[in-house]
Amino acid sequence: KQEVTQIPAALSVPEGENLVLNCSFTDSAIYNLQWFRQDPGKGLTSLLLIQSSQREQTSGRLNASLDKSSGRSTLYIAASQPGDSATYLCAVRPWGAGGTSYGKLTFGQGTILTVHP
Amino acid sequence: DAGITQSPRHKVTETGTPVTLRCHQTENHRYMYWYRQDPGHGLRLIHYSYGVKDTDKGEVSDGYSVSRSKTEDFLLTLESATSSQTSVYFCAISEEWWQKPNYGYTFGSGTRLTVV
Repeated sequence: KQEVTQIPAALSVPEGENLVLNCSFTDSAIYNLQWFRQDPGKGLTSLLLIQSSQREQTSGRLNASLDKSSGRSTLYIAASQPGDSATYLCAVRPWGAGGTSYGKLTFGQGTILTVHP
Repeated sequence: DAGITQSPRHKVTETGTPVTLRCHQTENHRYMYWYRQDPGHGLRLIHYSYGVKDTDKGEVSDGYSVSRSKTEDFLLTLESATSSQTSVYFCAISEEWWQKPNYGYTFGSGTRLTVV
């Protein structure tokens, strides 16, 4: 059974810092890994998606890397801002039966990020 | 959350009553999912659908049933609501890799359900 762990559980940093959020998973047979952001009382917003054949993806100040063999992904946030405060979730998607890709996501517990001015 | 709508957004119901939550998508995606989110448990899959009238159980399916009579609608029913089903429920959609290889999951805004 796939297990996904996110470290740290919570992080509080001053504005402007570069920071790294970690995600580890136990089964390397994944189709892709997706990072989400969730604001309090809101739904999940997709940030970055990395296919199993890729090493990293970038979007603005965000960079996500994937090392499938070691079961690790990191989300790097450059020059953090108070607006980055949210819960960050990673989720892995396995290959589905028969080579389909509808495999069910397994989520980590999330990292609660607070960026203070 | 463009393309996926959940209703109602909030609901309070009494123990023992049936409750149906609706997820509607305009993306024509094949796969639809229901998750619940609880403190300390994160997001857990309840049921999912891989096509019209094709559904299967997730890891926390007891007490829930689903139906999908049209591509765009996926209904989650609590046959007899219990306090342990108080939660935030999220619907999600996804597509086959060969149709959108870089496409992941898209989530709805959630339904906050309180069972009293």
